[in-house]
This record gives sequence, C-alpha cells and structure tokens, in this order.
Amino acid sequence: DTGVSQNPRHKITKRGQNVTFRCDPISEHNRLYWYRQTLGQGPEFLTYFQNEAQLEKSRLLSDRFSAERPKGSFSTLEIQRTEQGDSAMYLCASSSYRGVREQYFGPGTRLTVT
Amino acid sequence: RKEVEQDPGPFNVPEGATVAFNCTYSNSASQSFFWYRQDCRKEPKLLMSVYSSGNEDGRFTAQLNRASQYISLLIRDSKLSDSATYLCAVIRNTGGFKTIFGAGTRLFVKA
Repeated sequence: DTGVSQNPRHKITKRGQNVTFRCDPISEHNRLYWYRQTLGQGPEFLTYFQNEAQLEKSRLLSDRFSAERPKGSFSTLEIQRTEQGDSAMYLCASSSYRGVREQYFGPGTRLTVT
Repeated sequence: RKEVEQDPGPFNVPEGATVAFNCTYSNSASQSFFWYRQDCRKEPKLLMSVYSSGNEDGRFTAQLNRASQYISLLIRDSKLSDSATYLCAVIRNTGGFKTIFGAGTRLFVKA
C-alpha cells in the first residue's frame, strides 16, 4: 500500500494526558499537511511542512500542539495536556511539489478525550 | 463570513438526476481549487482538480469562475453510490500552501 498511513487509528485518552500521532506520507511527496475535522465541518488546516521545514502554522494551533517532520519523511503531531475540545479526527495529507498540488489524505486518527 | 462557503444541503435527488453544487471563496489570492468526496467517518478523497478551463471526468464536471469567485461541481446521471459529502478546497497564493476547506454539501441519491 503506497498511500498515506496514520497511526494510531483511534486514541482514547483522559483529559490532561499527552498524545502523539504519526503520519507516513506517500513516499515521493515532499509536502505534508495536518488537519483537524469535527462533525459537520470540513477539515481545518493546522500546519504544513515542505520537506522538514514547517512553513505555515494555523493561529488556531495553541501552544499545546506541536508538529515535527525531522527527516522530511514521516511526521508527528503531539497534543499536550489534552482537553475535551481536542476530541476530533486528525487528518494527515501529502502532496507532490509537482503539478497542481493535489493532496491525498490518510485514514485519520480519531481522538476522544474523556 | 467564512473564507470558503458551501450550501450544506442536504440535496435529495433520485437516481439519474443531474445535480449541481457551488462553492464560493472570498480570498482573491486563491490559486488552486479542488473537489473532494467524503463518505461518513472516512477521509476525504480527491474527486477532481478545477482548472480555469474547466475539467470533466465522466459524469463529473467542475468549473471555475474567477470573476465571481466560485467553483461548481455538476454530477450527471446520479448513482446511489454518489451519496456522500462533497467538499471544496482552495489553496491561497500567499507564500505558503494553506488550504481552506468548505464545510461540505451532503448529497443523498435515492432509488
């Protein structure tokens, strides 16, 4: 399978705990995006990497959120001191630097904060 | 006002019908446009890119109107399997590649 993969697929955590999600993009894609999606809404942009550089970060992303892409391949998204409002689907997408930059999504990580 | 807006629907249409969705965007720096399809509790899947000259793929046709700042998606001969949420996505040209999605339009195709 050469698509975008995400792990874990589901995560249940207690409020106040830290969680980390992983995304493996399509191998030849150098751009990687993180989104958050809640019920009835479209994906909400969180941050974007080109290779290992984090080029843009949403103002909606609080200091509790951090993302890395250390070698320009896989990426991690960490949420510290989780809150119930963090419950959502966290989606990762990747795109090539060529062409019109279509993004391809992974299956997402569904986070539930209790 | 949201930067990318869609009619949430739902659109309820019979099989074989033609249905059209619009998506308006407010940022004139928007440069790339896409339609995605999302099934319930699944990830969005790219349906088609939207070019200035329009784009057609089988029963699906997408168009861009830069002057009025909207994109459209036309589905002909609707199938039951077309039932899904259709998301439009817009990439700005502001030095980065921030992508803004609409909230989606729900389509139900009935037998």
